[in-house]
Amino acid sequence: DIQMTQSPSSLSASVGDRITITCRASQGISNDLAWFQQKPGKAPKSLISAASSLQSGVPSKFSGSGSGTVFTLTISSLQPEDFATYYCQQYNRYPLTFGGGTKVEIK
Amino acid sequence: QVQLRESGPGLVKPSETLSLTCNVSGYSINTGYYWGWIRQPPGKGLEWIGSIYHTVSAYYNPSLESRVTISVDRSKNQVSLKLNSVTAADTAVYFCARDGGLAEAVDYWGLGTLVTVSS
Repeated sequence: DIQMTQSPSSLSASVGDRITITCRASQGISNDLAWFQQKPGKAPKSLISAASSLQSGVPSKFSGSGSGTVFTLTISSLQPEDFATYYCQQYNRYPLTFGGGTKVEIK
Repeated sequence: QVQLRESGPGLVKPSETLSLTCNVSGYSINTGYYWGWIRQPPGKGLEWIGSIYHTVSAYYNPSLESRVTISVDRSKNQVSLKLNSVTAADTAVYFCARDGGLAEAVDYWGLGTLVTVSS
């Protein structure tokens, strides 16, 4: 299985901050990487596919980059609605696997 | 607008079979895409269970493959999950999702349904 490792596992930030979350794959996955946002008690929401393509309706403050084994999700100017847990997922090879999540909390 | 909604018993006894159904609206599963299940134990991360394309190809997580079956009912536009011989470790919120197999990411999720395994 391809292991997905996210860092940090949690972070505290203030409204208006720019943050970056990193996701590392245990082997190369090209750009077959997705990012999801999940708020407590809710289903995940799809943010980014193909490492850097925003899903329809996702604001441009979210951006993704990377290829191969290292990927990043950046949120520019954090807003109150962005405090949530973020997951990466690879879809290059079965079984599909997720990172452990990064919880973004208010400082 | 594609919508997915899971349904099924919220409580299952140990050693029995967990059965869930996902009703898909706004899109015909005959048209394409993979339809799958993902679960999340309370307070933990996401785990992919498996996906199916039409009625032809199903892929399962090896960690669950011996116990899981995913199927589709084209006439009802539904996707089903069966997980047998459940234990407390199978207690989780179960999500139905639309994905593109190894070509595209998950784009639509159901609301999720909590299934508790307990006697």
